[in-house]
Amino acid sequence: GNSVTQMEGPVTLSEEAFLTINCTYTATGYPSLFWYVQYPGEGLQLLLKATKADDKGSNKGFEATYRKETTSFHLEKGSVQVSDSAVYFCALTTSDGKYIFGTGTRLKVLA
Amino acid sequence: DAMVIQNPRYQVTQFGKPVTLSCSQTLNHNVMYWYQQKSSQAPKLLFHYYDKDFNNEADTPDNFQSRRPNTSFCFLDIRSPGLGDAAMYLCATSSQTGVVRATQYFGPGTRLLVL
Repeated sequence: GNSVTQMEGPVTLSEEAFLTINCTYTATGYPSLFWYVQYPGEGLQLLLKATKADDKGSNKGFEATYRKETTSFHLEKGSVQVSDSAVYFCALTTSDGKYIFGTGTRLKVLA
Repeated sequence: DAMVIQNPRYQVTQFGKPVTLSCSQTLNHNVMYWYQQKSSQAPKLLFHYYDKDFNNEADTPDNFQSRRPNTSFCFLDIRSPGLGDAAMYLCATSSQTGVVRATQYFGPGTRLLVL
């Protein structure tokens, strides 16, 4: 079946550090892949997406590349800020358009 | 700005007392979703509407119902809330369904507390 696996959190970094949050998936067919961010007490905001292999999604300094050969969609940012502290969800869409979410990774950035 | 709006942001209800959460959207999207999210967990899909066509997830309890009177509005009714229904409820919309590229846009959520 379809599934998404994210690295366990929390991830704690100092400001300006490099961020990687790992996401791997299992899917039949060719899913689209997404990263969402959830700030405390808020809904999910779309951060970036990629719809086919080798696509790179990017937004607000975050990037992720759809790697079909390794079934991965790792989230990266070169220099994190305190304001990036949030929970990050990786997700894929199935052929019927429904989302399969990962369990979420909490990021804490310290000043 | 086009958006998904949820009201209220916080809702307190009593055990067993019916409660309704509302969602509206200015995106003119065909599809509206309701998710339940418990603390430190991923959102769990309860059901969705494609236009007026209602689609229930197999494991959604009968206690949860939904109404969509028009394109813009969708309601979540919890007929007899239990303590286990305390959660964040998220509404999302999409312009497509049944399509692998469908992107969902979420509202800010309503946090439900059951006393």
